[in-house]
Amino acid sequence: QQQVKQSPQSLIVQKGGISIINCAYENTAFDYFPWYQQFPGKGPALLIAIRPDVSEKKEGRFTISFNKSAKQFSLHIMDSQPGDSATYFCAAAYSGAGSYQLTFGKGTKLSVIP
Amino acid sequence: EAGVTQFPSHSVIEKGQTVTLRCDPISGHDNLYWYRRVMGKEIKFLLHFVKESKQDESGMPNNRFLAERTGGTYSTLKVQPAELEDSGVYFCASSQDRRDRVTGELFFGEGSRLTVL
Repeated sequence: QQQVKQSPQSLIVQKGGISIINCAYENTAFDYFPWYQQFPGKGPALLIAIRPDVSEKKEGRFTISFNKSAKQFSLHIMDSQPGDSATYFCAAAYSGAGSYQLTFGKGTKLSVIP
Repeated sequence: EAGVTQFPSHSVIEKGQTVTLRCDPISGHDNLYWYRRVMGKEIKFLLHFVKESKQDESGMPNNRFLAERTGGTYSTLKVQPAELEDSGVYFCASSQDRRDRVTGELFFGEGSRLTVL
């Protein structure tokens, strides 16, 4: 059972365009939603994260939109650049648990073409 | 400051053999996690150490997998005997203390790719 569903699997965007990646979760106990960025040959690195008490969080060109009632959240990359080409993973966690597990989506491979 | 380091970066073994993966967390990080990504699938949690103690090993697939963290520093993950379905990338991650559970930032290593033939 996949608890965090991520789409699309791959995405091609022109330089300067907007990249949008969507995730949906099932477990209403989740209270922390990070996005990780992974470049080839590297490990995932935290990009931006949100908690369900806010509906949007922006850091530079990266914005998370969060819809608690729909149990959905999305990553928007404005003015996408070729350097943004990477695999993006959404994740969710319940911070009140004894152990801190991240439940990941399957990932989205983003290619930004010049 | 050195990040999370993992060794080996790639291991190719035959079914039935044994492999040991090593992870050195960021110095001073009490929390150490192992995750695995099978090709085309999501990154999945395996287990969590707090110092030398196993806090949560609910993600370990079966008893062919053994994780240790002697002395609360580096950790090893042994697969014995390896099966074809064990192929994938094994990630180690670390975080400093409970405060990082609030921020949620895990620092990942580059992963150890395991190929079982």
